[in-house]
This record gives sequence, C-alpha cells and structure tokens, in this order.
Amino acid sequence: DQQVKQNSPSLSVQEGRISILNCDYTNSMFDYFLWYKKYPAEGPTFLISISSIKDKNEDGRFTVFLNKSAKHLSLHIVPSQPGDSAVYFCAANNAGNMLTFGGGTRLMVKP
Amino acid sequence: DAGVIQSPRHEVTEMGQEVTLRCKPISGHDYLFWYRQTMMRGLELLIYFNNNVPIDDSGMPEDRFSAKMPNASFSTLKIQPSEPRDSAVYFCASSLQPGELFFGEGSRLTVL
Repeated sequence: DQQVKQNSPSLSVQEGRISILNCDYTNSMFDYFLWYKKYPAEGPTFLISISSIKDKNEDGRFTVFLNKSAKHLSLHIVPSQPGDSAVYFCAANNAGNMLTFGGGTRLMVKP
Repeated sequence: DAGVIQSPRHEVTEMGQEVTLRCKPISGHDYLFWYRQTMMRGLELLIYFNNNVPIDDSGMPEDRFSAKMPNASFSTLKIQPSEPRDSAVYFCASSLQPGELFFGEGSRLTVL
C-alpha cells in the first residue's frame, strides 16, 4: 500500500519554463512533507519542506504547495534550469515517525 | 564536515555470495536508516536505528537481510545469501530527528 504516490515517472520541460511536480498521499495523519532531489550516482538531498499548518512555502525558485483537503502537494520550479534535471522524491511523515517516500519523478530540463 | 559515508560504492557479486554494506553516519546523529532504491518501488525503508538500537525492521525483505549497529559511528547491512533480485542501490541516511535525513552516496549492488 503506497501511502505517497508520484504518478508521473518523468517530466520534460524547456529551460526557463515552469516545472510542476506532483505528489499525492493517502494518510491523513501526515503533517510534514518534504521534497528531495537526487542526481545520478549521488544520494538524495533535502530540497524544501512544508508543515501541514501552511499551504505554501517558498525558497528562491522552488515553491511547495500543500492542499490538505485533496491530500496533494506540488513542487514548482520557476524558471527551470538544466541543472535542475534530476529525480525528485516527495516524502511525508507524522509526529516524528519515519519518512515515507514516493516513487520519484525524473525531471529533464532541456536547454 | 563529512557527510554520511558508505562503502563500497559498487559491488558486483554472484548469486549465493554474502554481501556486506557499510555506513558511517554523521557524528552526533541519533538516527540511522537503511533504504533501498529500485526502479519499481522507489525508495524503500528497510530498517532504522535510534541510539544504536534497531527500532523498526519491518521493511527488511526477508531473513536473508540483517543489519547491525555496534556503535554510534558504524552500521552494516548484510545479505546472505544474495540473489539477483537484491540488485539495487542501497542508501544509508542519518538524522538528528526522524524528519530530515542526510543520505550517503549509496552502494550499487549487482548480483549476477
């Protein structure tokens, strides 16, 4: 039973445009959500997070939106750059429990 | 400051052989995690430790897998005997609290 799902395995975007990566979850107890970025041959690195008390968190070109009623979060990257090409994992947890990861979305930003 | 260090980075072995993956967490981190990444299942949590004690090993696939943490600076993940379906990238991660993890670069295992 996948509690965190990323339904798009891949996404291709032109440089300078917006990238939108989506993530759905089923566990209504989740209260903290994170996005990790992974380059080939490297471990995932933390990118941005959001608490369930917020619906938006912004950090430079990266913004995460949370829609609790829909159990949906999204990561927006604008403008997208070729260096953003990577696999993006969303993750969620509650009350300090372990992170549950989605399956990842491979983003390709074309120059 | 050194991050999470894993070894070996790559391991190729034959079916039936024992495989041992090693991890040195970030100093001062109380939590250590072992994850496995595959194309089909993404990042799966295998086991995690808190203060060197295994807390949840429900993600360990079967008895062929075992993990130990003899001290705060070292952990191993062992597969014996290994099978081709164990081929994956195995990540170790550590954290001060369960939420934000710091991952190592991973150990890519290929079982022929």
